[in-house]
Amino acid sequence: DTEVTQTPKHLVMGMTNKKSLKCEQHMGHRAMYWYKQKAKKPPELMFVYSYEKLSINESVPSRFSPECPNSSLLNLHLHALQPEDSALYLCASSQDPGGGNIQYFGAGTRLSVL
Amino acid sequence: AQKVTQAQTEISVVEKEDVTLDCVYETRDTTYYLFWYKQPPSGELVFLIRRNSFDEQNEISGRYSWNFQKSTSSFNFTITASQVVDSAVYFCALSEPTQGGSEKLVFGKGTKLTVNP
Repeated sequence: DTEVTQTPKHLVMGMTNKKSLKCEQHMGHRAMYWYKQKAKKPPELMFVYSYEKLSINESVPSRFSPECPNSSLLNLHLHALQPEDSALYLCASSQDPGGGNIQYFGAGTRLSVL
Repeated sequence: AQKVTQAQTEISVVEKEDVTLDCVYETRDTTYYLFWYKQPPSGELVFLIRRNSFDEQNEISGRYSWNFQKSTSSFNFTITASQVVDSAVYFCALSEPTQGGSEKLVFGKGTKLTVNP
């Protein structure tokens, strides 16, 4: 089983709203990732959590706030987003954070910011 | 820095044709990993294959095959007897180590494959 579950599948929010994206995996993976993908572009890494600690922040604006409550769960808290933040947000997990471990992706959350 | 080039932006074929997707990479690392992912219109990135830099054996999985050549820094992907269900965007990716031990994937821009009936 290589399933990564993301909720919600679709989200529409205004620029003053606060919302959260959720990602869950039960494969015992110790690394979890958030990617942002704009239309017709490749995924761009946002954050990496390694053993529940933030390992990489790719200079993401503070209106995006990641959280890893436990090894199976990863959240992305959204606040005061801009219309240009509309994108597909993908979560991934891997057994370990290095060594060429395979990253398994969820189906993503399609976010629209009005 | 690592770089992945997928020169073919879009490819359109008729069902049952063979098609090859090209991937050229750049890295200074001696140990690295290459990946192919498939992204159908639903959006999920589906893992297809991983190859490490020490294993140059070609791989075949059903209608899919991969040709890894370190001499030309290429990792090409061939679909034999293509089917409509193969229509998707295909990404080639290269692992890039970072400080702290984590790795990130460096993706190519992707190749959109359309298989027409």
